[in-house]
Amino acid sequence: EAQVTQNPRYLITVTGKKLTVTCSQNMNHEYMSWYRQDPGLGLRQIYYSMNVEVTDKGDVPEGYKVSRKEKRNFPLILESPSPNQTSLYFCASSLWAAGGGQPQHFGDGTRLSIL
Amino acid sequence: GESVGLHLPTLSVQEGDNSIINCAYSNSASDYFIWYKQESGKGPQFIIDIRSNMDKRQGQRVTVLLNKTVKHLSLQIAATQPGDSAVYFCAERSSNTGKLIFGQGTTLQVKP
Repeated sequence: EAQVTQNPRYLITVTGKKLTVTCSQNMNHEYMSWYRQDPGLGLRQIYYSMNVEVTDKGDVPEGYKVSRKEKRNFPLILESPSPNQTSLYFCASSLWAAGGGQPQHFGDGTRLSIL
Repeated sequence: GESVGLHLPTLSVQEGDNSIINCAYSNSASDYFIWYKQESGKGPQFIIDIRSNMDKRQGQRVTVLLNKTVKHLSLQIAATQPGDSAVYFCAERSSNTGKLIFGQGTTLQVKP
């Protein structure tokens, strides 16, 4: 089954403790992206990657890192999490970015609570 | 700046009626406009998209209309069913970067 898989689905942690949210897709998609979803603010892009070893900042990249060492995986890293990063996070992938018409497939989300 | 917005945060319809969800956008440079459906506890799910050089596109029970003159996008759902209850987001997509800019979302409630 074609899917985007995020782990963990839920995490409660404390300020300053490094964490990684993994994202994996099995559709051989070049494009992957991370979003955060907050009430009243909708979905906002954090980082995206057009292909292996190519990453770029989205609208709200501060406090986050990503890597794209292989096509299927796109982990989101919070080196020193802070309470304002408490949010619902989504990973998405699509066949390729340019040309449009390639819908992004989303994972089921990771709910992070930073105390 | 760029923004994509929806007119109403909540829409309540009777089962079997048609639903119309509206969206206003401000960036004329986007090549695609997309509608997503998000059910509770799940990620956004692609419904339908439309290229900027089109004004109408139909899918199964859904129709998207694009009015570039007034920068307005709408999603019409025919014969709304309880399973259509969800939050609906419009988004515009940059063809160069694939970046999606989402609107705030409209919650569709279907009354039996």
